[in-house]
Amino acid sequence: GQNIDQPTEMTATEGAIVQINCTYQTSGFNGLFWYQQHAGEAPTFLSYNVLDGLEEKGRFSSFLSRSKGYSYLLLKELQMKDSASYLCAVRGYDAGNNRKLIWGLGTSLAVNP
Amino acid sequence: DTAVSQTPKYLVTQMGNDKSIKCEQNLGHDTMYWYKQDSKKFLKIMFSYNNKELIINETVPNRFSPKSPDKAHLNLHINSLELGDSAVYFCASSQATGEAQPQHFGDGTRLSIL
Repeated sequence: GQNIDQPTEMTATEGAIVQINCTYQTSGFNGLFWYQQHAGEAPTFLSYNVLDGLEEKGRFSSFLSRSKGYSYLLLKELQMKDSASYLCAVRGYDAGNNRKLIWGLGTSLAVNP
Repeated sequence: DTAVSQTPKYLVTQMGNDKSIKCEQNLGHDTMYWYKQDSKKFLKIMFSYNNKELIINETVPNRFSPKSPDKAHLNLHINSLELGDSAVYFCASSQATGEAQPQHFGDGTRLSIL
């Protein structure tokens, strides 16, 4: 079956660094996305990885290892506004060979002062 | 300026009623989606349309019927609403290309069934 695992909750301190892990098992692989979702709001796109390695975007970086079915999102210099849910999503294929985005349940990050 | 807009933002109605949620995107995207996010925050794909053609139809009750009059609009009609339909419904769109493109989400419709 197709599955994405990420921790349910994490807590970190303002100014610190936090790493949110995501492991996946999917039918085919055509890219991995990270989204941020604040409470009561829509998910917003953060990063995309399709090749192995690290993609850096300001305070946020995302890493991918396709052979290990593993990714992480690294958040540096944490700010209070980073308190949100972080969703890992993998683009794979469904039974009809249609491309399909498979979503994790999200990691709820609480940043404390 | 809103990229993906859906209406209404809040919908409170009684069990058994029929309701519709509208979605429009002005990004020129080819693909549109409907998602359901329940109280446990799991984002579940319901439907996906590419250029007005249904390409993904997950296992949802046939009380849910999507309609795409053109590639910029994807509406969701729900018949005989049930308590379990209470959730946030998100519309999203993306460009359909060979490479995976990020999805852009609307602000969501919060549906509460009394």
